[in-house]
Amino acid sequence: QMQLVQSGAEVKKPGASVEVSCKTSGFPFSEFHMHWVRQAPGQGLEWMGWISPNTGDTSYAQKFQGRVVMTRDTSISTFYMELSSLESDDSAIYYCARDSGPAYGGTFDIWGQGTVVAVSS
Amino acid sequence: DIQMTQSPSSVSASVGDRVTITCRASQDVSTWLAWYQQQPGTAPKLLISAASSLQSGVPSRFSGSGSGTEFTLTISSLQPEDFATYFCLQSKSFPRTFGQGTKVEIK
Repeated sequence: QMQLVQSGAEVKKPGASVEVSCKTSGFPFSEFHMHWVRQAPGQGLEWMGWISPNTGDTSYAQKFQGRVVMTRDTSISTFYMELSSLESDDSAIYYCARDSGPAYGGTFDIWGQGTVVAVSS
Repeated sequence: DIQMTQSPSSVSASVGDRVTITCRASQDVSTWLAWYQQQPGTAPKLLISAASSLQSGVPSRFSGSGSGTEFTLTISSLQPEDFATYFCLQSKSFPRTFGQGTKVEIK
């Protein structure tokens, strides 16, 4: 069964950093890029960036440049997203989502269950 | 960046109704367009990729059409489990961008 399992909810103070993990299973880790998407309460979906599992190359949305770092650990088939200098506006559900690859529309075909990040003083 | 504009933002419909949701792209995305369904408190679920390719296990009452800048998601006969929010996503270029969502509510 192909799945992405994310780490648990986090509560952080403004100015802190948060790291969310995304463990993959049921498919070859090295064959699929991983995206990160967030959704603020009652809002739409916002793409944050993606990472290559093989090279670790990343591409980030301009909005998050300098504040987000995406990494992976190939030995445990896990991706990570760290967001720093948190503000209250960063309170959201954070999702990892697998890229299906160009042969299948290059879309997000499998999603993690989401990780709630709350930023509050 | 490619802007994705969805309409309507919400629709009230009854079981058995036909529902159509539109997504317009600010630039040509060819058929690099997907549709998602999101139930409250859950992750989005992929319904349709490449504008019109129905995902395995998705009921045939869902269909997608369009290319270029205008796309449509149609639910031919609304079922109780279809009341949810629907999003489009363009995967033609970076940054990936989503429509703002359409909430399908019970009339």
